[in-house]
Amino acid sequence: ELKVEQNPLFLSMQEGKNYTIYCNYSTTSDRLYWYRQDPGKSLESLFVLLSNGAVKQEGRLMASLDTKARLSTLHITAAVHDLSATYFCAAQGGKLIFGQGTELSVKP
Amino acid sequence: DAGVIQSPRHEVTEMGQEVTLRCKPISGHDYLFWYRQTMMRGLELLIYFNNNVPIDDSGMPEDRFSAKMPNASFSTLKIQPSEPRDSAVYFCASSLTPGGRNEQFFGPGTRLTVL
Repeated sequence: ELKVEQNPLFLSMQEGKNYTIYCNYSTTSDRLYWYRQDPGKSLESLFVLLSNGAVKQEGRLMASLDTKARLSTLHITAAVHDLSATYFCAAQGGKLIFGQGTELSVKP
Repeated sequence: DAGVIQSPRHEVTEMGQEVTLRCKPISGHDYLFWYRQTMMRGLELLIYFNNNVPIDDSGMPEDRFSAKMPNASFSTLKIQPSEPRDSAVYFCASSLTPGGRNEQFFGPGTRLTVL
């Protein structure tokens, strides 16, 4: 059974700093998704990673996938307050299995 | 496209009442998913449909929950009778055939409170 684990679950950052969110999954999955959820809102698709070594970047966010290590990372560069949200990774194992989410708070 | 549409956005009901949540997927999408989100259990897949046919309902918590998709543009999730532990945000999502670049697009959710 596919399981997805994220860490950290809570992350408080200062503006301008860099940090990485980790997403580990337990069994083979060759595609990985990242979503963003603002408080009280729905989930918004950020990245779709389709193959080993895939790297996608959008603004201050960069996601990568290592299928051999069963690991995806979401790297935040020079964080700004607007990035404050909860970030979910999800692995495709038949159906989509979501991680617990990482609640990111960026403070001035 | 208007995206995935859900109604109502908020529902407050009393224990024992029937609750019906509604979803209209993105036009042309052939997969539809119902999720439940709570603080304790996170985001859980309840059931999903392909071409209006239920494929996997293993996440439906118990017989009080039922879901239907009578046509390609409409689905319902019904809880009868409702209980306080059913309080959660229920999301509907749709996609083209899963895999590849076909990510799921989520609706705004229905926040259900059962008193």
